[in-house]
Amino acid sequence: GEDVEQSLFLSVREGDSSVINCTYTDSSSTYLYWYKQEPGAGLQLLTYIFSNMDMKQDQRLTVLLNKKDKHLSLRIADTQTGDSAIYFCAESSDYKLSFGAGTTVTVRA
Amino acid sequence: SAVISQKPSRDICQRGTSLTIQCQVDSQVTMMFWYRQQPGQSLTLIATANQGSEATYESGFVIDKFPISRPNLTFSTLTVSNMSPEDSSIYLCSASKAEGYTFGSGTRLTVV
Repeated sequence: GEDVEQSLFLSVREGDSSVINCTYTDSSSTYLYWYKQEPGAGLQLLTYIFSNMDMKQDQRLTVLLNKKDKHLSLRIADTQTGDSAIYFCAESSDYKLSFGAGTTVTVRA
Repeated sequence: SAVISQKPSRDICQRGTSLTIQCQVDSQVTMMFWYRQQPGQSLTLIATANQGSEATYESGFVIDKFPISRPNLTFSTLTVSNMSPEDSSIYLCSASKAEGYTFGSGTRLTVV
């Protein structure tokens, strides 16, 4: 089955950049996603990238995809306290999503 | 992107009872999904719900425990049956659209 792994915790200073990394094993993945979950809330789709792309930028968010190494990253520029949340990497194949365990990002002043 | 309204947002239930969770999508979608998120963990897919056919369950989940309805292209329900404390989780529905998968806000279930 699909396997998605990501580091569990990241602490970053306000104003710095955050980089969250993710690896996956399913070579047939068509899309890869980043979701944000704030405490007590559902999942918010942040961004996604098609598997034939290697980069996508959307305001403060930059997604890099290395398909050869099956490595995905999310960079958040100028991290703010409102960025504190759990970030989930997910890959889709066969119309289903497989999630990583989530990276808890803590932004410190 | 699609907007999903999920209710209830939370509930506290007695063991042995059942709870039905509803999800309403603001547009027609072919596929809807139900996930469970146990405390401090990631999301696990319970089943895929397609209109006009029985839901497809993932390994470890069965229809008797988690019956699902999908009466039309904008609505689905998940019932958690004969609940035990181990069923305490967040349950989320999701819908697939061209721009990606969107999620309801989740139902936080506590079984006592």
